[in-house]
Amino acid sequence: GEDVEQSLFLSVREGDSSVINCTYTDSSSTYLYWYKQEPGAGLQLLTYIFSNMDMKQDQRLTVLLNKKDKHLSLRIADTQTGDSAIYFCAESYSGYSTLTFGKGTMLLVSP
Amino acid sequence: NAGVTQTPKFQVLKTGQSMTLQCAQDMNHNSMYWYRQDPGMGLRLIYYSASEGTTDKGEVPNGYNVSRLNKREFSLRLESAAPSQTSVYFCASREGLRNAEAFFGQGTRLTVV
Repeated sequence: GEDVEQSLFLSVREGDSSVINCTYTDSSSTYLYWYKQEPGAGLQLLTYIFSNMDMKQDQRLTVLLNKKDKHLSLRIADTQTGDSAIYFCAESYSGYSTLTFGKGTMLLVSP
Repeated sequence: NAGVTQTPKFQVLKTGQSMTLQCAQDMNHNSMYWYRQDPGMGLRLIYYSASEGTTDKGEVPNGYNVSRLNKREFSLRLESAAPSQTSVYFCASREGLRNAEAFFGQGTRLTVV
């Protein structure tokens, strides 16, 4: 079945870049997502990428997709303390199908 | 534009009690989903509705039922709550045909004692 794997924890200093990695097993995944969850809150959609794209940039966020290796990464430039949260990677086969999530990466940004 | 609204936000139940978690979206989305989030487990899909009039089981459906009341509303029912159902429940919706963005509600924090 489908599986999405993420490292559990990442610690960076304020102002550094953060890179959160994700691997998935389903080669038919069409959409790949990054969500942010702050304590006690719901999931906020940060960005998503089609499987036929290699890269997507949105302000401080850069998503890289290596479809051959089934590897997705989220780079946050100039990381701020407000970026401290759990980041979830997810994949979906189609616009109507379900989303399968990784277990989340906790990002801790220290001053 | 409220997005995805879940009620209630918090609930404490006794073992064996029943309750319905409500979810409504105002974005005219076709697909709706119920997930549960437990520490160290990520989000696991309970049930989903790809379009109005259809519902399907997800990864962890036992102990739950759902109703897609209309295009806007998708409810999750616990008929006889158990402590193992203590969790945070999230509803999500997605337009699906032209747009694959999926949006989540703020969650319902349920404790079963």
